[in-house]
Amino acid sequence: GENVEQHPSTLSVQEGDSAVIKCTYSDSASNYFPWYKQELGKRPQLIIDIRSNVGEKKDQRIAVTLNKTAKHFSLHITETQPEDSAVYFCAASYVQVIFGPGTSLSVIP
Amino acid sequence: EAGVAQSPRYKIIEKRQSVAFWCNPISGHATLYWYQQILGQGPKLLIQFQNNGVVDDSQLPKDRFSAERLKGVDSTLKIQPAKLEDSAVYLCASSFRQGSSYEQYFGPGTRLTVT
Repeated sequence: GENVEQHPSTLSVQEGDSAVIKCTYSDSASNYFPWYKQELGKRPQLIIDIRSNVGEKKDQRIAVTLNKTAKHFSLHITETQPEDSAVYFCAASYVQVIFGPGTSLSVIP
Repeated sequence: EAGVAQSPRYKIIEKRQSVAFWCNPISGHATLYWYQQILGQGPKLLIQFQNNGVVDDSQLPKDRFSAERLKGVDSTLKIQPAKLEDSAVYLCASSFRQGSSYEQYFGPGTRLTVT
């Protein structure tokens, strides 16, 4: 079955710097790759997603890149702000959605 | 639009007891998911419904967990009997379109503590 790995598990950046989170997946049939943000004690919320027919997608300070050949995708957050501090989960989906273990991002003011 | 509703929000039970969780998805959403999220981990899919049919329950521990979505709207997840390792947040999510390749909207979750 599908397996999703995510690195790093924790990430600390200074406010204004960029943050990059990387994920790899095992099932080449996966065709949908969402990223969810989960603040402490709250529900996961979709922040950006990408489909397998697209290599890159950007939404303001957030961008996601997908390399289907290497089976990895990455989340890029630019000009980080303290409110970006949260746990970020990548996921890969074909028949079922498989989540990565999460990255705890801390943005230091 | 109203979001995904779940109840109860918190539940504490002793091991070997039974517990049930309820979820009401966003109106019109065909696909409903139940996830188990253990502290410090990503959500793990337990079961996925499309309308009132099961699409995937390969990771549901069927000896103790059961779920139903009888009328294709709200759903219940039951654990009987509970074990200590069942302590987790149980998240319900729904999506408008059929299949798993679309945005999921999560409910607030039910935090289960098994003592």
